[in-house]
Amino acid sequence: GDSVTQMEGPVTLSEEACLTINCTYTATGYPSLFWYVQYPGEGLQLLLKATKADDKGSNKGFEATYRKETTSFHLEKGSVQVSDSAVYFCALSDPGGAQKLVFGQGTRLTINP
Amino acid sequence: GAVVSQHPSWVICKSGTSVKIECRSLDFQATTMFWYRQFPKQSLMLMATSNEGSKATYEQGVEKDKFLINHASLTLSTLTVTSAHPEDSSFYICSAADRGSNYGYTFGSGTRLTVV
Repeated sequence: GDSVTQMEGPVTLSEEACLTINCTYTATGYPSLFWYVQYPGEGLQLLLKATKADDKGSNKGFEATYRKETTSFHLEKGSVQVSDSAVYFCALSDPGGAQKLVFGQGTRLTINP
Repeated sequence: GAVVSQHPSWVICKSGTSVKIECRSLDFQATTMFWYRQFPKQSLMLMATSNEGSKATYEQGVEKDKFLINHASLTLSTLTVTSAHPEDSSFYICSAADRGSNYGYTFGSGTRLTVV
């Protein structure tokens, strides 16, 4: 079945460091890909998405490119801030049209000042 | 943008009682809503897909009689945890698919359930 694999956390960085959180997926067909962010005690917020190969999603300085050849959707940011501390989830939508989201295990990011 | 309101944000109940969690789409119609469960420091596990006007579709291993889902209108889905036990304590999150936004999924803020 469809699956999403994220790099293991937790990840701890200093402010202004570069960030990459790896995400790879397995799916039949052509899924849409998402990154969600979860702040402590809250639900999930959509960070960015890409719906087809080579699309680049971007938001709040974060970027991710849909790479079909490597089945990847790595999250990147050039300079992180303390406020970026959260748990990040990579996800794909069920290409079969059932609209279900399949999530990776999540990566906890902590940014130190 | 699309907003999903989930209520209550936290609840403490005694073992054996039932708890209802509401999920409302405030500014769009959601024919499909999803209920997830999240254990501490873990990912989201899809419990069921709630379809307006029809029975919910449960994922394998989720007890239908334990987790009752009702989606009576295009803006409201409810999850009732029946005869709750301490092992049901978890963070429950709903999500709605906004058909007006291509592949848009909006999440509620979650409900922290503690069964004592």
